[in-house]
Amino acid sequence: EAQVTQNPRYLITVTGKKLTVTCSQNMNHEYMSWYRQDPGLGLRQIYYSMNVEVTDKGDVPEGYKVSRKEKRNFPLILESPSPNQTSLYFCASRGAGPTGELFFGEGSRLTVL
Amino acid sequence: GENVEQHPSTLSVQEGDSAVIKCTYSDSASNYFPWYKQELGKGPQLIIDIRSNVGEKKDQRIAVTLNKTAKHFSLHITETQPEDSAVYFCAANTGNQFYFGTGTSLTVIP
Repeated sequence: EAQVTQNPRYLITVTGKKLTVTCSQNMNHEYMSWYRQDPGLGLRQIYYSMNVEVTDKGDVPEGYKVSRKEKRNFPLILESPSPNQTSLYFCASRGAGPTGELFFGEGSRLTVL
Repeated sequence: GENVEQHPSTLSVQEGDSAVIKCTYSDSASNYFPWYKQELGKGPQLIIDIRSNVGEKKDQRIAVTLNKTAKHFSLHITETQPEDSAVYFCAANTGNQFYFGTGTSLTVIP
């Protein structure tokens, strides 16, 4: 089954404690991206990756890092989380072509105390 | 960058009625406009999309229209059913980035 898998689905952490949210897709997609969803703000792009070792900033990259060492994986790293990073995070991948469909994971709800 | 505005933020309709959600965008370079449905506790799922060289597209009870001149596009759901209740997002794709609207919470009242 084609899917995008995120882990963990839920996480409560404290300010400053580094964490990683993993994302894996099994569709051999080249494009992957991360979004955060906040009430009243919709989905905002954090980072995206066009291929292995190619990453670029989206609209809200501050406080986040990503890496793309393998095609299937695109982890989101919060080196020093702060309360304003409390949010619902989605990973997505996209098929071939500039206007391919985005496939989303189930989301990771992060709370930073 | 691109700015996508979506209205209304909430919408309640009686079962069987139609629902319309409208979005505007700012960047004339945007060329792909998908609509996503998000059910509670799940990730958004594509329900219909339209490319900039097409004015209208229909898939059963769902249709999307695009007016490039006015830079707006709309989602139309006819004969609404309770299972249509969800949050709907419009988006505009420019190059490698997707810009989303703020969402519309649709409630279909049985």
